[in-house]
Amino acid sequence: QKEVEQNSGPLSVPEGAIASLNCTYSDRVSQSFFWYRQYSGKSPELIMSIYSNGDKEDGRFTAQLNKASQYVSLLIRDSQPSDSATYLCAVRGSRGSTLGRLYFGRGTQLTVWP
Amino acid sequence: DVKVTQSSRYLVKRTGEKVFLECVQDMDHENMFWYRQDPGLGLRLIYFSYDVKMKEKGDIPEGYSVSREKKERFSLILESASTNQTSMYLCASSPPGPLQPGELFFGEGSRLTVL
Repeated sequence: QKEVEQNSGPLSVPEGAIASLNCTYSDRVSQSFFWYRQYSGKSPELIMSIYSNGDKEDGRFTAQLNKASQYVSLLIRDSQPSDSATYLCAVRGSRGSTLGRLYFGRGTQLTVWP
Repeated sequence: DVKVTQSSRYLVKRTGEKVFLECVQDMDHENMFWYRQDPGLGLRLIYFSYDVKMKEKGDIPEGYSVSREKKERFSLILESASTNQTSMYLCASSPPGPLQPGELFFGEGSRLTVL
């Protein structure tokens, strides 16, 4: 069983602050990592993917990956109330029939207050 | 535009009834998935399918079965619904791995209540 752990939250930050969301995973050979955002009452949607160690930036979002520490994070700069959602960390399976599936963490609920 | 359609947004069934949840995707994706989502438990994979007629058990297959007769359609079946199957059910599809990105396209969900 693959384990994907996220900081439990909820996380509450003021508008304009940096929100930091963290995730650890158990399978050290995993190669592909994803962040999904889920608004209340809606389905998850992909916002970031990362495959190599280091940082990957997309607008206000930065994904960080450290494979040695089995750690992936998502930073949201200049947080906006519209960023209030649950953020799901996901890791792709690394072998055999698991290659096509994702393992999800339980999610961290983020609230950005004005 | 990418589209995953689940047949029912809300269903109310009685204990012991047989329940069918239908999912159709129009993206010609090989991979399709059924998840359930419960507060505090996150997304849990029930079954997935890499191709027509094939299926793989996920993490919580007990009490469920699936059918994939056509590439675009993946059905989840509750043979005898129980109250602990009250949940939000999410269908998703994705292009084939491992070289494809891991983007799952989700349907809008089916909220099932079993009385």
